[in-house]
Amino acid sequence: TQLLEQSPQFLSIQEGENLTVYCNSSSVFSSLQWYRQEPGEGPVLLVTVVTGGEVKKLKRLTFQFGDARKDSSLHITAAQPGDTGLYLCAGEDPGNTPLVFGKGTRLSVIA
Amino acid sequence: EAQVTQNPRYLITVTGKKLTVTCSQNMNHEYMSWYRQDPGLGLRQIYYSMNVEVTDKGDVPEGYKVSRKEKRNFPLILESPSPNQTSLYFCASSLYGVVRYTEAFFGQGTRLTVV
Repeated sequence: TQLLEQSPQFLSIQEGENLTVYCNSSSVFSSLQWYRQEPGEGPVLLVTVVTGGEVKKLKRLTFQFGDARKDSSLHITAAQPGDTGLYLCAGEDPGNTPLVFGKGTRLSVIA
Repeated sequence: EAQVTQNPRYLITVTGKKLTVTCSQNMNHEYMSWYRQDPGLGLRQIYYSMNVEVTDKGDVPEGYKVSRKEKRNFPLILESPSPNQTSLYFCASSLYGVVRYTEAFFGQGTRLTVV
């Protein structure tokens, strides 16, 4: 089973600060997805990146897929309390079927 | 509305009493899966199904059963629950096939406590 390592595991910041969370693997993925999970709910897809080096923006969130398609990052600018949640990355193995999930980064943005 | 529906949302049961958690999706997705989520361990896949009558073990299948008799339903069965199966369970579905980069739609979760 391929592994996705997410860091940091926990992050607590003040409103307005910037942050970056990372998703790393030694394996190549066909695509990588980022999900956000709020308390009491299931994960919800934020973005899918497919091409090595690809950058996608979703308002204040910037997602990047590494050139070698082994890693990804999520950068949040001017974090807000509404960004609080568990951020999960999930990789699609080109040779296998199930999505591989990282353990997540739990973000807390304090007003 | 496209959705994955799990029932029940909360369940407290006793060791050894068989239970079933239902999962249904209305998006005609081929692929369905079950995960358990535990603190510090993340989402771990229990079983998945590529289509009707096709199921495969995930990373943590011990103590669980599934069936896929219809495309829309994918129940999770615990024949003899034990306390170490206390967890938050999620069902998910997605398209799979020609279009591979499709999102997983998750249910709202079932919080199971086995005493």
